[in-house]
Amino acid sequence: NAGVTQTPKFRILKIGQSMTLQCTQDMNHNYMYWYRQDPGMGLKLIYYSVGAGITDKGEVPNGYNVSRSTTEDFPLRLELAAPSQTSVYFCASSRGTPIRQPQHFGDGTRLSIL
Amino acid sequence: TQLLEQSPQFLSIQEGENLTVYCNSSSVFSSLQWYRQEPGEGPVLLVTVVTGGEVKKLKRLTFQFGDARKDSSLHITAAQPGDTGLYLCAGVGGGGADGLTFGKGTHLIIQP
Repeated sequence: NAGVTQTPKFRILKIGQSMTLQCTQDMNHNYMYWYRQDPGMGLKLIYYSVGAGITDKGEVPNGYNVSRSTTEDFPLRLELAAPSQTSVYFCASSRGTPIRQPQHFGDGTRLSIL
Repeated sequence: TQLLEQSPQFLSIQEGENLTVYCNSSSVFSSLQWYRQEPGEGPVLLVTVVTGGEVKKLKRLTFQFGDARKDSSLHITAAQPGDTGLYLCAGVGGGGADGLTFGKGTHLIIQP
């Protein structure tokens, strides 16, 4: 089982460039999430989705956009990259609400904005 | 915004010692999860505690959820080098759907 797959694993962007971080899961989970993890910090929620066609903002959504056209895929779009967006980005999925269901994480995308 | 404070932030001990990591908040959580993260990988769930006062054991790891569901602890008995890693607590708010609130984590190093 692949679980949650994130691509690319590493990327360097110049200020002002844009890119899409890809996330796909093969567990047929309805809930999907994007987090960012800065050095020495815990994970912060960027966006989440409870099903195809439904997305909502998390704690730190500014500078990002998402879409959820299928159950499997939940891409994260960075428009006009800024140095403050240098971070490690994690995608996660869960079968249901995280009150009782575990979140399954990908291995992350390490993004540097220079 | 719900906040989770973890302590200590860093801990380095010798193999065979016991340790406790704390996760505290002023907010009530519907449930609390503990994750372990290895370098270069995503967090992996260790346990979920839901009921106030609940205690769960996972081999040498004991997890406790506070009676008021505002705090939790992780106790490791006879720590081993394989326990080295970043331990994260994460709380779920009342709504449930909107993801987890993570603490900053405890970096644990077990020296042989």
